[in-house]
Amino acid sequence: NAGVTQTPKFQVLKTGQSMTLQCAQDMNHNSMYWYRQDPGMGLRLIYYSASEGTTDKGEVPNGYNVSRLNKREFSLRLESAAPSQTSVYFCASSEAGGNQETQYFGPGTRLLVL
Amino acid sequence: LAKTTQPISMDSYEGQEVNITCSHNNIATNDYITWYQQFPSQGPRFIIQGYKTKVTNEVASLFIPADRKSSTLSLPRVSLSDTAVYYCLVGDGSGYSTLTFGKGTMLLVSP
Repeated sequence: NAGVTQTPKFQVLKTGQSMTLQCAQDMNHNSMYWYRQDPGMGLRLIYYSASEGTTDKGEVPNGYNVSRLNKREFSLRLESAAPSQTSVYFCASSEAGGNQETQYFGPGTRLLVL
Repeated sequence: LAKTTQPISMDSYEGQEVNITCSHNNIATNDYITWYQQFPSQGPRFIIQGYKTKVTNEVASLFIPADRKSSTLSLPRVSLSDTAVYYCLVGDGSGYSTLTFGKGTMLLVSP
């Protein structure tokens, strides 16, 4: 099992460009999450999907959109990238939602917006 | 969400036991306490979870006093590879919530 995979690993964008970060999990988990982590900070939740077909905003959703394509895949889209979106983005999944569910994280995507 | 407070950083030497304490004064009745570990350039990894008293697994122990207003992650005989950031998380009392990561505790293990 690969667990949680993310593509790309690195990306450089110019201000105003758009891109989609891809995430897939092979653990048959119901819930998936997107976080961002800025230097010296903890992770902040952008969006999550409690189950296939549903998505909800997290703590910092502005400037992002998500799609739960199917049970395996959860993508994060930046429509018009801004330098403030320079960060490391982590995708995670859990069997179900809830604060007692273990979340499994991907390796991250490092994004630089110039 | 219940707020957690942990030390920003801790230093230790190889072979020592390390205890990281987290305070969560407003923890709700149905909240669990979960600890994650994060190495540089990697996503966080689950270490241990507990509700009350003591929980032990192959990696760590978690001590939770009766009032549950704090918890202590204990790492026995640390090695250099335990150098990482450790996050303490609790829920929002609803029993269903997303996780909120604070800044965590940066543990540096020296030879």
